[in-house]
Amino acid sequence: EADIYQTPRYLVIGTGKKITLECSQTMGHDKMYWYQQDPGMELHLIHYSYGVNSTEKGDLSSESTVSRIRTEHFPLTLESARPSHTSQYLCASSPQINRNSPLHFGNGTRLTVT
Amino acid sequence: EDQVTQSPEALRLQEGESSSLNCSYTVSGLRGLFWYRQDPGKGPEFLFTLYSAGEEKEKERLKATLTKKESFLHITAPKPEDSATYLCAVQAAAEENNAGNMLTFGGGTRLMVKP
Repeated sequence: EADIYQTPRYLVIGTGKKITLECSQTMGHDKMYWYQQDPGMELHLIHYSYGVNSTEKGDLSSESTVSRIRTEHFPLTLESARPSHTSQYLCASSPQINRNSPLHFGNGTRLTVT
Repeated sequence: EDQVTQSPEALRLQEGESSSLNCSYTVSGLRGLFWYRQDPGKGPEFLFTLYSAGEEKEKERLKATLTKKESFLHITAPKPEDSATYLCAVQAAAEENNAGNMLTFGGGTRLMVKP
């Protein structure tokens, strides 16, 4: 059973606010990912990390930033939220040893920017 | 560019009415094709990985098959609890040398099974 946790589950915030979406996993996985998913649409990769102190941008351009100071923690930050950032954000992880390992997903944070 | 197209977008079935979901893909060398199930308000849950044409995998009422151009998820005698969105994703062999596990997702098929 995958143990990956995202907080908050829901967030409604005004334009211009700084927000941080939290993601933690207890499986010791080296690789972590952030995906963005709009209702009925594909998941798009916005950030990923190979391990501690590693962060890379994904296929979908995003104004967010990430950090990876500890293996288990991969927070995503928006310095100034805008209505266009309204979406669901999904965090995932996978072990390093096998590149075919499936991703384990958290339950997501649904962000609404008013 | 890798592409994944799932059809139909939505499918309504009566309980016990078997059917299939389609996932068509174009990829520069397939390393793996993944099926996930996603319930409303939750993250995707892994179902299967298929690696090569002709491969099949089964789990309860679900059976996934793979050809060189598409994958099918067959649902036999579905129950209401099978209602969910089913996502297909591909991993290209070209990704093997960088991050690995980089997936391209389709838009999903929303399955509704009525009792």
